[in-house]
Amino acid sequence: EPEVTQTPSHQVTQMGQEVILRCVPISNHLYFYWYRQILGQKVEFLVSFYNNEISEKSEIFDDQFSVERPDGSNFTLKIRSTKLEDSAMYFCASTHFSGSSYNEQFFGPGTRLTVL
Amino acid sequence: GDSVTQMEGPVTLSEEAFLTINCTYTATGYPSLFWYVQYPGEGLQLLLKATKADDKGSNKGFEATYRKETTSFHLEKGSVQVSDSAVYFCALGSNTGNQFYFGTGTSLTVIP
Repeated sequence: EPEVTQTPSHQVTQMGQEVILRCVPISNHLYFYWYRQILGQKVEFLVSFYNNEISEKSEIFDDQFSVERPDGSNFTLKIRSTKLEDSAMYFCASTHFSGSSYNEQFFGPGTRLTVL
Repeated sequence: GDSVTQMEGPVTLSEEAFLTINCTYTATGYPSLFWYVQYPGEGLQLLLKATKADDKGSNKGFEATYRKETTSFHLEKGSVQVSDSAVYFCALGSNTGNQFYFGTGTSLTVIP
């Protein structure tokens, strides 16, 4: 069964460093998402991406964040200069159909980012 | 704005006990409601969903009914198994945008 994959599973970085989190969505999916979950808090939406551009972003997704689909398979989240408060689990998701609320989003296993 | 409030955990039950995990929501419009489950080391997997009021989603013995009058989507299972141990997330899919809104997750441990 096709699945969303994410690498690495755990990333440790120093404050101020750049990190790139990688995701491979399901191959025929068209909409891609990043979410994060700070320990003990809700899973929060960061950004959605369709047709090679951002379709929606939250206020969390500031200028320090960027997303890219560099080739036909990968979808990346870059944090330019990490802060302590960026420590969280980051989930990638994808869906085939339009971003309608009715359609299941398929999630990856997450990347745990620890900023020291 | 849209939001989901989910029962705090962790929850520990004995095998064959009855499970309820409460979820309530706030939304404008007509959202869809979902329960996702996360087993250790894995991603969020869809457990069940309901797309309109009074719909009942069900899967693997789990059920949840979309109650518009109480803005709730509580997850239930009549007899839990050790293999049900996981984290359960209630989620709302807004029909005014692409994103999902999640609860904090409820960790369930079932002991033999």
